[in-house]
Amino acid sequence: NAGVMQNPRHLVRRRGQEARLRCSPMKGHSHVYWYRQLPEEGLKFMVYLQKENIIDESGMPKERFSAEFPKEGPSILRIQQVVRGDSAAYFCASSPSTGNTEAFFGQGTRLTVV
Amino acid sequence: AQSVSQHNHHVILSEAASLELGCNYSYGGTVNLFWYVQYPGQHLQLLLKYFSGDPLVKGIKGFEAEFIKSKFSFNLRKPSVQWSDTAEYFCAVKVGSGGYQKVTFGTGTKLQVIP
Repeated sequence: NAGVMQNPRHLVRRRGQEARLRCSPMKGHSHVYWYRQLPEEGLKFMVYLQKENIIDESGMPKERFSAEFPKEGPSILRIQQVVRGDSAAYFCASSPSTGNTEAFFGQGTRLTVV
Repeated sequence: AQSVSQHNHHVILSEAASLELGCNYSYGGTVNLFWYVQYPGQHLQLLLKYFSGDPLVKGIKGFEAEFIKSKFSFNLRKPSVQWSDTAEYFCAVKVGSGGYQKVTFGTGTKLQVIP
């Protein structure tokens, strides 16, 4: 059973470009979470999704950021018109809908905006 | 909405010293509690978890944590740290079940163990 897969591991974008981060949850997991990690700021919740639904996006910036988790395929975190301040590590986690279990994390995508 | 507070942002210890990292949460209902560890350059890995039952939870690598419901706390402990414990530690709380579950993390504590 493969773990949570994120790609790419490293992504370099110029200011103004779009960044697309992908996350394939563990098999059987229907809940996906995205977090952003900045130095000295810990792990900040961004968005919580289930298949085809955004459940909680209270941590997402109102502009330029969007997320989806389609019926087929990975969850996508999209950042449009990136700025230097978007440079961070973005982690995806997944969990099943039932049972007492933890969230499992992917390796993260390190976004660098130049 | 729930929140998690980790009071120590940066802790420096010598090898063999005892460790206690504080974690408090705010949420009035039933919670599941976790401690994750992130070694330099790596992703988060689970250290231990509490769902119900014995409030003293033992995890991997000699770590343990105690859930004190009256204090809304879930402090992490280790009797004797090693250099290899140098990492960042995150406390997390999950609320809800089934159709809605949200996991919230604290800001993390960086532990540096000096040989």
